[in-house]
Amino acid sequence: GENVEQHPSTLSVQEGDSAVIKCTYSDSASNYFPWYKQELGKRPQLIIDIRSNVGEKKDQRIAVTLNKTAKHFSLHITETQPEDSAVYFCAARGPGGSYIPTFGRGTSLIVHP
Amino acid sequence: NAGVTQTPKFQVLKTGQSMTLQCAQDMNHNSMYWYRQDPGMGLRLIYYSASEGTTDKGEVPNGYNVSRLNKREFSLRLESAAPSQTSVYFCASSEGGYSYEQYFGPGTRLTVT
Repeated sequence: GENVEQHPSTLSVQEGDSAVIKCTYSDSASNYFPWYKQELGKRPQLIIDIRSNVGEKKDQRIAVTLNKTAKHFSLHITETQPEDSAVYFCAARGPGGSYIPTFGRGTSLIVHP
Repeated sequence: NAGVTQTPKFQVLKTGQSMTLQCAQDMNHNSMYWYRQDPGMGLRLIYYSASEGTTDKGEVPNGYNVSRLNKREFSLRLESAAPSQTSVYFCASSEGGYSYEQYFGPGTRLTVT
């Protein structure tokens, strides 16, 4: 089955700095890579996703890059703000209904004002 | 739209007791999932239902059973609760097919003493 590794487990930055979270996956059939943000005591919510036919995707201050050859993908947050503080999860899944998503263990991002 | 709803929000059980966690979605999604979230372990899939009438085991199914009651509802049952099942449980749904985004419920915090 799929195995997703996520690093770092904790990331502490100053407000305004950039933050990068990295994930690797094992199954070359995986073709969908979402990122979820979970604020304290809340449910995970999708913030950005990328499919394997795209190398990079941006949405305002967040971007995701994908390297299919190396089987890794990354979340980039620029100009971090205190409200970005949360746990971020990456995931990977293959094509079609028979595949199920596999999540990384999460990164706790702390943005200091 | 309420999205994905879960009941109860909190529950305390004694070892050996049974209970059912309820989940419902009003987005006409085909696929539904049950996850547990433990500190440092990310989201681990317990069971999923790719479509109405089907259920399959995920990564950590032992001690749990599920029922896809209809397209809207997917319940998780603990027949004989154990302290190791103390966790936060999330239900999620997705449209299915090649539409992969998952929508999560608010979670149930379960403590087994």
